[in-house]
Amino acid sequence: EVQLVESGGGLVQPGGSLRLSCTVSGFSFSNHWMHWVRQAPGRGLVWLSRINTDGSRTTYLDSVEGRFTISRDNARNTLYLQLNSLTVDDTAVYFCARDSDSGRYFDYWGQGALVTVSS
Amino acid sequence: DIQMTQSPSSLSASIGDRVTITCRASQIVAIYVNWYQQKPGKAPRLLIHSASTLQSGVPSRFSGSGSGTDFTLTISRLQPEDFATYYCQHTYSTPWAFGQGTKVEIK
Repeated sequence: EVQLVESGGGLVQPGGSLRLSCTVSGFSFSNHWMHWVRQAPGRGLVWLSRINTDGSRTTYLDSVEGRFTISRDNARNTLYLQLNSLTVDDTAVYFCARDSDSGRYFDYWGQGALVTVSS
Repeated sequence: DIQMTQSPSSLSASIGDRVTITCRASQIVAIYVNWYQQKPGKAPRLLIHSASTLQSGVPSRFSGSGSGTDFTLTISRLQPEDFATYYCQHTYSTPWAFGQGTKVEIK
């Protein structure tokens, strides 16, 4: 069974940092591109970032580039998202998602990790 | 960046109704459009990929169509478990944007 489990969410002050993890099982992690998507409370889905299979290529939404860093450890079957310089507008549930075998769509998602930025 | 505009933003429908949700891309996206269903407090679930391909395990009452800039998700006969929010997404070029969502509510 394919599973993606996020962890690392929580309450952080404005200007602070947090690292989210997404630990996967049930499939060959190193064969799939991976993505992060977030959803602010009561709002829609926003794609944030993607990383290729060996971690050598990353892409970001302009509004988070330079503050967020995606990475992966294929030996640990884990995807990461480092969040820096957080603002209240970054408050959201953060989902990791697997890119399909053929690419271009998300066939499995994690349950989400809530990040709350507040003083 | 390519924007996706969904309509309507919400709708009320009855069990058994046919429901149609549309999504328009701001530029041509070929067939690189996917549809997801999301229920409160849950992760999105893939319904349709590549504009019209039904994801494995998804009921056949869901269908997708379109190419270029205009796309449609249709639910042929609405069931109680279909009340949710639906999102389109393009994956033509990054950033892979989602539509703003369509909330399907019980009439």
